Amino acid sequence: GQQLNQSPQSMFIQEGEDVSMNCTSSSIFNTWLWYKQDPGEGPVLLIALYKAGELTSNGRLTAQFGITRKDSFLNISASIPSDVGIYFCAGRYNTNAGKSTFGDGTTLTVKP
Amino acid sequence: DAGVIQSPRHEVTEMGQEVTLRCKPISGHNSLFWYRQTMMRGLELLIYFNNNVPIDDSGMPEDRFSAKMPNASFSTLKIQPSEPRDSAVYFCASSLRDTYEQYFGPGTRLTVT
Repeated sequence: GQQLNQSPQSMFIQEGEDVSMNCTSSSIFNTWLWYKQDPGEGPVLLIALYKAGELTSNGRLTAQFGITRKDSFLNISASIPSDVGIYFCAGRYNTNAGKSTFGDGTTLTVKP
Repeated sequence: DAGVIQSPRHEVTEMGQEVTLRCKPISGHNSLFWYRQTMMRGLELLIYFNNNVPIDDSGMPEDRFSAKMPNASFSTLKIQPSEPRDSAVYFCASSLRDTYEQYFGPGTRLTVT
């Protein structure tokens, strides 16, 4: 089956620093999604990418759909304490209909 | 919109008991997903429905797990009998079939003692 490798597994940064995380797949996807999960809550969709090469921003967040369709990147600029949480990537391929494959998550800690 | 609603938020039960988790998807969404999240295995898709019909239940761990969607606004995930290894957070998510953006509920934290 499809495998997603998300890295890094965890990050400890100072407030104000930029953050970068990525996901790579063993096979191609048609859609990449990035979610954030706060403690005790469900994942919340941050950015959706539908086209290879696409670069999309949502405030201080920027995500890119890799040209090979096997990877995606999420960058957070000027981190703030509320950015703390677990970030998940998810990929989908059309033939899997509604099914998404999730990465294992990147746990972000921001020190004030 | 109220978002995806799950109940209960927390459930503590004894081994061998039946557990029923409930989900109300976002109105107008016609795909519904049940996930399980643990530290060891991350987010696992258990089953998903399109237009109330189960499409893929390959993630359901074993026969003790069953899911139903009797109508477009309600789904249940049942575990009978429950075991301690079923302890996890169970999420329900919904989406419009023609898009890929799933919206998650707050989850049900299940503890089986």
